[in-house]
Amino acid sequence: DVVMTQSPLSLPVTLGQPASISCRSSQSLVYSDGSTQLNWFQQRPGHSPRRLIYEVSNRDSGVPDRFSGSGSGTDFTLTISRVETEDVGVYYCIQASHWPFTFGQGTKLEI
Amino acid sequence: EVQLVESGGDLVQPGGSLRLSCAASGFTFSSFSMHWVRQAPGKGLEYVSAITGNGDNTFYANSVKGRFTISRDNSKNTLYLQMGSLRDEDMAVYYCARVGRGYDYWGQGTLVTVSS
Repeated sequence: DVVMTQSPLSLPVTLGQPASISCRSSQSLVYSDGSTQLNWFQQRPGHSPRRLIYEVSNRDSGVPDRFSGSGSGTDFTLTISRVETEDVGVYYCIQASHWPFTFGQGTKLEI
Repeated sequence: EVQLVESGGDLVQPGGSLRLSCAASGFTFSSFSMHWVRQAPGKGLEYVSAITGNGDNTFYANSVKGRFTISRDNSKNTLYLQMGSLRDEDMAVYYCARVGRGYDYWGQGTLVTVSS
């Protein structure tokens, strides 16, 4: 299985400041059709996961533009340009290029 | 609007059985593969099982193979997870998730508690 490694696992941030989370995969996530199936999810306390980013850098509908994704191959980053209070929660990267889908350990973002 | 609503979670003794359901609406259910993903208390996410849109193919994590069975009824727009020989380590919130460029929609989850 593809191993997804996130860092840091805990991220204290200051309101209004940027934040970045790294996700590395144990093998390339380029899929057979040329796409890269790397998603980022947010899980607020007491809620189910919500997808923020698909295919590395595409924001889902309704996701604020302060969230952005970047990267390629095995190295990916989620960036929040200016952290807001509602961004508190755990962030996961998930790869869907290889079977089975696998998850990062999660990064807890706290103000 | 896409909705996934899980149900069936309960308190069950070790070795017991339980069936979870996930009612889908707002999309053509039979066109999408569906997964079950679980989250143990205070832990991360773990893939459990998957089924293709027509139900012909099913897949399981090694940790549940031989004990859990995934199925679907496309006439009822419902996904199921039959869980047997439950263990302490199966205690978790179980989510159903639609597969669309990864997981695009999740339900709210249903809690399975395994305890004597």
